[in-house]
Amino acid sequence: QKEVEQNSGPLSVPEGAIASLNCTYSDRGSQSFFWYRQYSGKSPELIMSIYSNGDKEDGRFTAQLNKASQYVSLLIRDSQPSDSATYLCAVRNQGGKLIFGQGTELSVKP
Amino acid sequence: EPEVTQTPSHQVTQMGQEVILRCVPISNHLYFYWYRQILGQKVEFLVSFYNNEISEKSEIFDDQFSVERPDGSNFTLKIRSTKLEDSAMYFCASSQWEGGNTGELFFGEGSRLTVL
Repeated sequence: QKEVEQNSGPLSVPEGAIASLNCTYSDRGSQSFFWYRQYSGKSPELIMSIYSNGDKEDGRFTAQLNKASQYVSLLIRDSQPSDSATYLCAVRNQGGKLIFGQGTELSVKP
Repeated sequence: EPEVTQTPSHQVTQMGQEVILRCVPISNHLYFYWYRQILGQKVEFLVSFYNNEISEKSEIFDDQFSVERPDGSNFTLKIRSTKLEDSAMYFCASSQWEGGNTGELFFGEGSRLTVL
């Protein structure tokens, strides 16, 4: 089983719609969860962090964490073409190492 | 806003040559990391560094790789004898702490290594 698993996509949504990105992880002891955005040829850019069960909202972004189900998600409301990128789920495992998923490619169509 | 800086942005080298990639982490950060990303693949952990020593390393980080913090600001990754499969984007990252609400990693822009 992969340590951090994401659907690779591409996920295509129309402009203004809600984009929903999902991630599961295998290490039940993980405590810290992150979403990074990566534009092609660029470095990962941190957009959200979440540490406790429930929802965390920041502008158009909402991260959701369910530790019992080992599941993290990211919702992007009012999606814009500029949101088109690869979204990386990252989980800090019990050893402290940050492990990335494969990334989900999001395409927002005007 | 403080940022992680990396040099060079792109390096082309011949197989078997030594390469040193340089990073200046954010100044008040204590934990330093190298990750790599082969084109089209996921971001992979190489090594973490704290208190002037390696705290964890991956299977990728074999004897050909080494890291050093030669002074109070730079953090370097050395590949002793490059192979074709070392061609990748190498990202340096730093964090203030390794846990809790300040365990976020901030990445540099990356150094693209091409081995011919």
